[in-house]
Amino acid sequence: GDSVTQMEGPVTLSEEACLTINCTYTATGYPSLFWYVQYPGEGLQLLLKATKADDKGSNKGFEATYRKETTSFHLEKGSVQVSDSAVYFCALSKSGYSTLTFGKGTMLLVSP
Amino acid sequence: GAVVSQHPSWVICKSGTSVKIECRSLDFQATTMFWYRQFPKQSLMLMATSNEGSKATYEQGVEKDKFLINHASLTLSTLTVTSAHPEDSSFYICSARVGLTTGELFFGEGSRLTVL
Repeated sequence: GDSVTQMEGPVTLSEEACLTINCTYTATGYPSLFWYVQYPGEGLQLLLKATKADDKGSNKGFEATYRKETTSFHLEKGSVQVSDSAVYFCALSKSGYSTLTFGKGTMLLVSP
Repeated sequence: GAVVSQHPSWVICKSGTSVKIECRSLDFQATTMFWYRQFPKQSLMLMATSNEGSKATYEQGVEKDKFLINHASLTLSTLTVTSAHPEDSSFYICSARVGLTTGELFFGEGSRLTVL
């Protein structure tokens, strides 16, 4: 079946450091890929998405590129802020009426 | 973007009682809503898919008699945890699909259930 694998956390960084959270997937066909963010005590929010190979999703300084050859969708940010501290979930979805398959999430902790 | 709201955000109940959690799409009609359960430090696990006007489709291993789901209108789905026990304590999250497009879901803020 479909699956998403994320690097385990927590990832601890100082403010203004570079961030990479690895995400790889296993799926048949051509899934859409997503990054969701969950701030403490809140529900998930869509951060960015990509629907086909080589697409780059971006939002709030975060980027991720859909790499079909490596089945990856790594999340990157050049300079993190304390307010970026949250849990980040990588997910995939097939076309049509299917729902999302999530990775286990990666906690990011950014210190001043 | 589309807004999905859950209520209550926090609930504490005694073992053996039933708890109802509401999920509302505030500014769009949601033909399909999804209910997830999230254990500490774990990912979201899909419990069931809720379709307006029909019975919910439950994932394997989810007790349909324990987790009652009703999707009575295009803007409201409810999850009732019947005869709750401490092991049902978890974070329950609903989501709703906007339109019929690929995979984009909007999530509620979640409801934390603690069963004493």
